[in-house]
Amino acid sequence: QSVLTQPPSVSGAPGQRVTISCTGSSSNIGAGYDVHWYQQLPGTAPKLLIYGNNNRPSGVPDRFSGSKSGTSASLAISGLQAEDEADYYCQSYDSSLSGPVFGGGTKLTVL
Amino acid sequence: EVQLVESGGGLVKPGGSLRLSCAASGFTFSSYTMNWVRQAPGKGLEWVSSISSRSTYIYYADSVKGRFTISRDNAKNSLFLQMNSLRVEDTAVYYCARRHGDYLPLDYWGQGTLVTVSS
Repeated sequence: QSVLTQPPSVSGAPGQRVTISCTGSSSNIGAGYDVHWYQQLPGTAPKLLIYGNNNRPSGVPDRFSGSKSGTSASLAISGLQAEDEADYYCQSYDSSLSGPVFGGGTKLTVL
Repeated sequence: EVQLVESGGGLVKPGGSLRLSCAASGFTFSSYTMNWVRQAPGKGLEWVSSISSRSTYIYYADSVKGRFTISRDNAKNSLFLQMNSLRVEDTAVYYCARRHGDYLPLDYWGQGTLVTVSS
């Protein structure tokens, strides 16, 4: 049972836009802590995709964007491409655990 | 180039011990909080432990508290995880990852090392 809640899977056709939600509580996202997103391609380590709710590291396409409101956050991917097929994880900080907390992950399938 | 390279994984029996290492290069290791994150086969990511830049602050997930010990050697740019009293449910790929502060992201990850606990 992950501290942050994500849908297990989402899908979309090439070129479409999909969103992945991440719901937390008053001890993590709702407490004002930033949300970060990671992309994990099959068989590889996670890679930072979005940091500080809506910032992209160098090299991440602007097709990826993030937002946060209240106790939830969202990752949006526009102009879907086959190479976007991966698992996506949200992460925040939890004051009751004194450490990072993750969502359960969402598998994106590009149809 | 930032590099984190884990080692020390393998097959161990329940109740056994294992020590993981993470060799860091390409950045000022002593300036970063270091973390261990694990991923059980087919499952999601689970934070295991964190150690602050000078080892002042150390935290563990409840699932490993009292069994695992995190440490670091800043002179050797190395991070360690001593795992004792291993359980079947500790089977996972263990990643080391760096973080510049409590609320900041895990911006670089190693490739991971597989720990299998089985009789």
